[in-house]
Amino acid sequence: SQTIHQWPATLVQPVGSPLSLECTVEGTSNPNLYWYRQAAGRGLQLLFYSVGIGQISSEVPQNLSASRPQDRQFILSSKKLLLSDSGFYLCAWSGQNNQPQHFGDGTRLSIL
Amino acid sequence: DQQVKQNSPSLSVQEGRISILNCDYTNSMFDYFLWYKKYPAEGPTFLISISSIKDKNEDGRFTVFLNKSAKHLSLHIVPSQPGDSAVYFCAARGGYTGTASKLTFGTGTRLQVTL
Repeated sequence: SQTIHQWPATLVQPVGSPLSLECTVEGTSNPNLYWYRQAAGRGLQLLFYSVGIGQISSEVPQNLSASRPQDRQFILSSKKLLLSDSGFYLCAWSGQNNQPQHFGDGTRLSIL
Repeated sequence: DQQVKQNSPSLSVQEGRISILNCDYTNSMFDYFLWYKKYPAEGPTFLISISSIKDKNEDGRFTVFLNKSAKHLSLHIVPSQPGDSAVYFCAARGGYTGTASKLTFGTGTRLQVTL
């Protein structure tokens, strides 16, 4: 069966520091991959999605970037974190052709 | 612009009764709708979905109804159980690039099932 892993589960970072969150999927090949953010009291906002290695689409302008160096690996990065980057970050995957997205357990990011 | 709205932030229901969670949307191009359930400190778990060509989909205790003319969908849980206590997100799909589907989420409704 397919599983998705995200780490770390929680992270506290100072303003201006870099960020790297990793997500990996097991048990499937060529998944579509997604990064979402949930700010306090709000719904999930799609940040990036990828349909293949090296293919990244950005949904909203922001201080973050994403990369997909391998088929089942998706990385969310920032060179310099802002206070507004705080939130709950979720990675998701889906198969092809109308399949639901399945989420990891998320990373709670706090910026001090 | 909130295209998917869940106007009730919370709902309390007695065990054994029916829970009805509501969701409204504004974009008539949405063609597929999903419900997710989320426990604290975990990612959302897919529950049930419905295509825009249907008006009802049932899976065990969970039924989703879609009213396209009203741009409204609802999730019914019967009978409600204490383990159903969680935050429920409505999501709508609209827009494809290649095979990736973009989901727009509501803000969630916290369901509390009491004994």
